Amino acid sequence: GAGVSQSPSNKVTEKGKDVELRCDPISGHTALYWYRQSLGQGLEFLIYFQGNSAPDKSGLPSDRFSAERTGGSVSTLTIQRTQQEDSAVYLCASSRSGRGETQYFGPGTRLLVL
Amino acid sequence: QQQVKQSPQSLIVQKGGISIINCAYENTAFDYFPWYQQFPGKGPALLIAIRPDVSEKKEGRFTISFNKSAKQFSLHIMDSQPGDSATYFCAASNFNKFYFGSGTKLNVKP
Repeated sequence: GAGVSQSPSNKVTEKGKDVELRCDPISGHTALYWYRQSLGQGLEFLIYFQGNSAPDKSGLPSDRFSAERTGGSVSTLTIQRTQQEDSAVYLCASSRSGRGETQYFGPGTRLLVL
Repeated sequence: QQQVKQSPQSLIVQKGGISIINCAYENTAFDYFPWYQQFPGKGPALLIAIRPDVSEKKEGRFTISFNKSAKQFSLHIMDSQPGDSATYFCAASNFNKFYFGSGTKLNVKP
């Protein structure tokens, strides 16, 4: 079946602009995660959605970052007033239930802020 | 504070050799320990995972060794192949939140 998809695959933007990154999880997966991976670094947790529960936003680095998940499926990560330090690969993952289940990752969106 | 510490940062192994990557954690509430493999330009993919009720899990050439008392776990890749060259991440999970190590870049020389 189809895996996790993300769009765009690459995004170049100017400092101060807003960007939206999209994630389509695997159908039927109730858990969805966003991570940030800086060059040569590990994965930094950003936000977690589970079903209709309130999301765990504890990893969002600033109030410029927000995310939503519509209808329990597609998720959008929005970065407002982008800064150069926001340049990274943004990865989305989904899992069947989130309770220690296998996470399936998308290919990521490579964001470059000039 | 880094929840999961991974070493080494990079590793060079000859074809046919054994690759060993180590991770350590502090939170005893972690109950799921996966390893992910990531190729350039791709997202991480689950390689093998273990829960703390067993000390070892083997899948093909890949083995996780788990030491609960030492709060350490490691990935062993037997008969390493050039196709194993990738970045490997360990992770630890408590219910629904995952903490990743900083990654090990493995290069298997032919």
